[in-house]
Amino acid sequence: DTAVSQTPKYLVTQMGNDKSIKCEQNLGHDTMYWYKQDSKKFLKIMFSYNNKELIINETVPNRFSPKSPDKAHLNLHINSLELGDSAVYFCASSQAAGIGTEAFFGQGTRLTVV
Amino acid sequence: ILNVEQSPQSLHVQEGDSTNFTCSFPSSNFYALHWYRWETAKSPEALFVMTLNGDEKKKGRISATLNTKEGYSYLYIKGSQPEDSATYLCAFSGAAGNKLTFGGGTRVLVKP
Repeated sequence: DTAVSQTPKYLVTQMGNDKSIKCEQNLGHDTMYWYKQDSKKFLKIMFSYNNKELIINETVPNRFSPKSPDKAHLNLHINSLELGDSAVYFCASSQAAGIGTEAFFGQGTRLTVV
Repeated sequence: ILNVEQSPQSLHVQEGDSTNFTCSFPSSNFYALHWYRWETAKSPEALFVMTLNGDEKKKGRISATLNTKEGYSYLYIKGSQPEDSATYLCAFSGAAGNKLTFGGGTRVLVKP
């Protein structure tokens, strides 16, 4: 059983389209995150949700909107996709918002905007 | 802006040799320091979560130390094996404790 699963694994789409990436965790964790792996391979936090409530929103264009229907899911919607949005996006979860416990990562979604 | 830096960026190790590398992070408002192992085409996997100054943690041939007063952590690999080849990431969590700020990683290649 995969602990944190993201779909799709690969996503190729045209500029201007709207797309979603789904994330689900079956670990019973309270907190979920979205990270973006930038061009230098750094993992940068985008959003953090704790029990469906947004607790971190880094400087991310408002074309990116996370949605958490329940604490096991955190989906990422991206409107009006741009070439610069091409990256690998990782979902993660941890037991609590105070992150003294390890984070579990999904396998990543490679988004390519053409 | 939090600076979490890892050095070196990459290193080659001969099989059987031991090695270590560094993560430096802000020494103020410390909450936790994480180490992750990230193999190509996989997702990062946690090795250690360290919260106390002077902490030492060990998992098999891999161990880590923590100095929160001076803001650094070392990761050691003893008797490196080819399967240890991966990128090792450290991540810092400040007093707010709500997010992890990752370093750029140290890419380790163990040569047979």
